[in-house]
Amino acid sequence: AQSVSQHNHHVILSEAASLELGCNYSYGGTVNLFWYVQYPGQHLQLLLKYFSGDPLVKGIKGFEAEFIKSKFSFNLRKPSVQWSDTAEYFCAVTRRGAAGNKLTFGGGTRVLVKP
Amino acid sequence: DGGITQSPKYLFRKEGQNVTLSCEQNLNHDAMYWYRQDPGQGLRLIYYSQIVNDFQKGDIAEGYSVSREKKESFPLTVTSAQKNPTAFYLCASSIGSGETQYFGPGTRLLVL
Repeated sequence: AQSVSQHNHHVILSEAASLELGCNYSYGGTVNLFWYVQYPGQHLQLLLKYFSGDPLVKGIKGFEAEFIKSKFSFNLRKPSVQWSDTAEYFCAVTRRGAAGNKLTFGGGTRVLVKP
Repeated sequence: DGGITQSPKYLFRKEGQNVTLSCEQNLNHDAMYWYRQDPGQGLRLIYYSQIVNDFQKGDIAEGYSVSREKKESFPLTVTSAQKNPTAFYLCASSIGSGETQYFGPGTRLLVL
């Protein structure tokens, strides 16, 4: 069964610091990759996704992620965080062509940005 | 205003009681999903439906049931067989299998 690992459960950093959140998955086939964000009291929303093409994808709010197939990784980055980036971040993977489009989520990383 | 609505926002369940969580979407999406969110465990798939009148079990279906009688509606029933129902429940939909899933605001279920 496929699994998704997010290495950090909690990250605390100051405004203007750079952020990188790790995500690794276990499935060896072709995958679609997602990062979702859950701001306090808000819906889970899509930050960015990778289906194919350029492995460096850009999302909303200045976030980007790089798909490295050889490392089964899809790390999320932001060069300079703001207080408003305080949220929980989830990496998710689905196997392309799998019945039901089952999304497997990582355990999430809570990010706290100190003003 | 298109989107996914879930109700109620908070729900309380007594021992031995079945409760039903509502999920409605007006996005004309074919596929709908129910997830359970627990701290530190991410989201886990309970049930999904790719088309009206059809649904499949996810990873943690025991103690839950669903129906998909209409394209826009996918209610989830938490039965008395679910021994640890306290969680945050999220409904999602996608235009089709393999496409991006969009999430509702969630329902928090608490056991009295």
